[in-house]
Amino acid sequence: NAGVTQTPKFRILKIGQSMTLQCTQDMNHNYMYWYRQDPGMGLKLIYYSVGAGITDKGEVPNGYNVSRSTTEDFPLRLELAAPSQTSVYFCASRPQGAQGSPLHFGNGTRLTVT
Amino acid sequence: DQQVKQNSPSLSVQEGRISILNCDYTNSMFDYFLWYKKYPAEGPTFLISISSIKDKNEDGRFTVFLNKSAKHLSLHIVPSQPGDSAVYFCAASGAGGGADGLTFGKGTHLIIQP
Repeated sequence: NAGVTQTPKFRILKIGQSMTLQCTQDMNHNYMYWYRQDPGMGLKLIYYSVGAGITDKGEVPNGYNVSRSTTEDFPLRLELAAPSQTSVYFCASRPQGAQGSPLHFGNGTRLTVT
Repeated sequence: DQQVKQNSPSLSVQEGRISILNCDYTNSMFDYFLWYKKYPAEGPTFLISISSIKDKNEDGRFTVFLNKSAKHLSLHIVPSQPGDSAVYFCAASGAGGGADGLTFGKGTHLIIQP
């Protein structure tokens, strides 16, 4: 069982470039999340989705976009990369309605913007 | 404004002794609390959780204690083992099923000394 899979593992972008971070899960979870983790900091929520076609902003959504066309996939788009977006990005999922159930995380994408 | 606080960035404990990691929160609407463990270059993995209606939950070597009046929880690991060396994140979930994800602390780096 693969769980939550993120690609790529690493990426270096130049300022102003764009890219999509891919996330897919095979657990049929309705809820999916994107977090970023900066050095010495906790994880901050960027966007989340409660099902296909439904997305909502988290704590730090500026500079990012998401889409949710299927239950399995939840890509994160950076349109104009900035050095402040250098971070490690984690995608996570969990089943709907299971109050208090934990999030299942992928192994992250380490992004550097120079 | 940090709603979940882990005030110890690091903690060093001898192998075989007890490790106690602390977490404080400010939002009284949180109804579930979770602990995650994270190794370098991996995503966070769920360790143990506790509902706000309980004051203790135990799973093998791991016990979480919740003091609602003090808005404080702690994770006890007994006995500590070398494989426990990792960063531990405290996280909290809001009322209503927590569809909007978890709020994380900054983490505590636990180092188990041989």
